[in-house]
Amino acid sequence: QSVLTQPPSVSAAPGQMVTISCSGSSSNIGNSHVSWYQQFPGTAPKLLIYDNNKRPSGIPDRFSGSKSGTSATLGITGLQTGDEADYYCGTWNGMVFGTGTKVTVL
Amino acid sequence: EVQLVDSGGGLVQPGGSLRLSCEASAFTFSQYWMSWVRQAPGKGLEWVANIKPDGSDKNYVDSVKGRFTISRDNAKNSLYLQMNSLRVEDTAVYYCGRESAWAFDYWGQGTLVTVSS
Repeated sequence: QSVLTQPPSVSAAPGQMVTISCSGSSSNIGNSHVSWYQQFPGTAPKLLIYDNNKRPSGIPDRFSGSKSGTSATLGITGLQTGDEADYYCGTWNGMVFGTGTKVTVL
Repeated sequence: EVQLVDSGGGLVQPGGSLRLSCEASAFTFSQYWMSWVRQAPGKGLEWVANIKPDGSDKNYVDSVKGRFTISRDNAKNSLYLQMNSLRVEDTAVYYCGRESAWAFDYWGQGTLVTVSS
């Protein structure tokens, strides 16, 4: 069972914005770096955000990350149908992942 | 292009053993920490183990300590996971991942391990 809590699902219409929260504690998020991953069914996760708010090469700036205290947030703007996927946060306390959030584009 | 190719999964009975492999290419394998991450059917991601670039330091999630062993062969650009005393709850897709900047920047395609009688 994960120590990082995410909402099970979020949804919005195309073009809108969604935010996904990731709640932890002082022993994990509060003391380390947060990363975010996108996963489509049957495929491996893909890194979207590292070091709280940095995007790897090739990740569009529609995806953004932030961290405050013991929580982190992933934002997706200009939502597209291709963004429908599961999203996971992760941080180091040993490595731990969030419970995962399914994004649905209405 | 960086590539990680996972292999070695299959069906095994409870109490059995399996060895997973991850072959890396297009980067200097010996310079990176590497991890195994698993995902049970319909469930979230769970980090399993990681290993230092020179193999001198290894870490495990509590649930696999004493049963799983992570190792690497830098000459063969390969990462391994020896899994012994397998349990039904070890059933999952196992991914290898490259660690960089406190994240997993590249992942293998995954290999399915099914533990069932």
